[in-house]
Amino acid sequence: GESVGLHLPTLSVQEGDNSIINCAYSNSASDYFIWYKQESGKGPQFIIDIRSNMDKRQGQRVTVLLNKTVKHLSLQIAATQPGDSAVYFCAENYYGGSQGNLIFGKGTKLSVKP
Amino acid sequence: DTEVTQTPKHLVMGMTNKKSLKCEQHMGHRAMYWYKQKAKKPPELMFVYSYEKLSINESVPSRFSPECPNSSLLNLHLHALQPEDSALYLCASSPANRGFSTDTQYFGPGTRLTVL
Repeated sequence: GESVGLHLPTLSVQEGDNSIINCAYSNSASDYFIWYKQESGKGPQFIIDIRSNMDKRQGQRVTVLLNKTVKHLSLQIAATQPGDSAVYFCAENYYGGSQGNLIFGKGTKLSVKP
Repeated sequence: DTEVTQTPKHLVMGMTNKKSLKCEQHMGHRAMYWYKQKAKKPPELMFVYSYEKLSINESVPSRFSPECPNSSLLNLHLHALQPEDSALYLCASSPANRGFSTDTQYFGPGTRLTVL
């Protein structure tokens, strides 16, 4: 079964508000995590990644937080815009797992209200 | 150039047809992947090529046949598919550095396949 999961799927936010998308993982050996954004009819787009030796990483308007104690990952989007509307997937990989085998969570659909 | 391209964008085929999906990247990546994605589901890994050699086959039926002619190209040959094979087929590539542990995969736009 999946070792990465998201509580399903829809998050609705007002334009300009901050969004937080959560992800739980079960494999404590996981050492690398990626957030992808998938818009309707498109392939997943890389947003941000984090290695297990970090607990926070920031990008442009996005922040990923990693809590290894409770095996939890979150994606924070600041000042959410209509263009952020998409499905967001977290994915994990771990040293010793199948090479190249990213394990995806179920996904969360983010809807931004204007 | 951080782009993975896939052709065709859409494909409709009958159960007796033979078709191929194509994927190309020019980022110098040495690992390439095929995924299958059903509606409202995450991508599911099908095949992984590492340095042009098949390294992972996730128990995919033989009606799907991958091919990696060179480090930039990846094909997926389709034959005698079933209607339940209708899905979005995604190609991805990654640098294949440091044993894949922290290897970032970049995805193409996908081919929307419909099997009649």
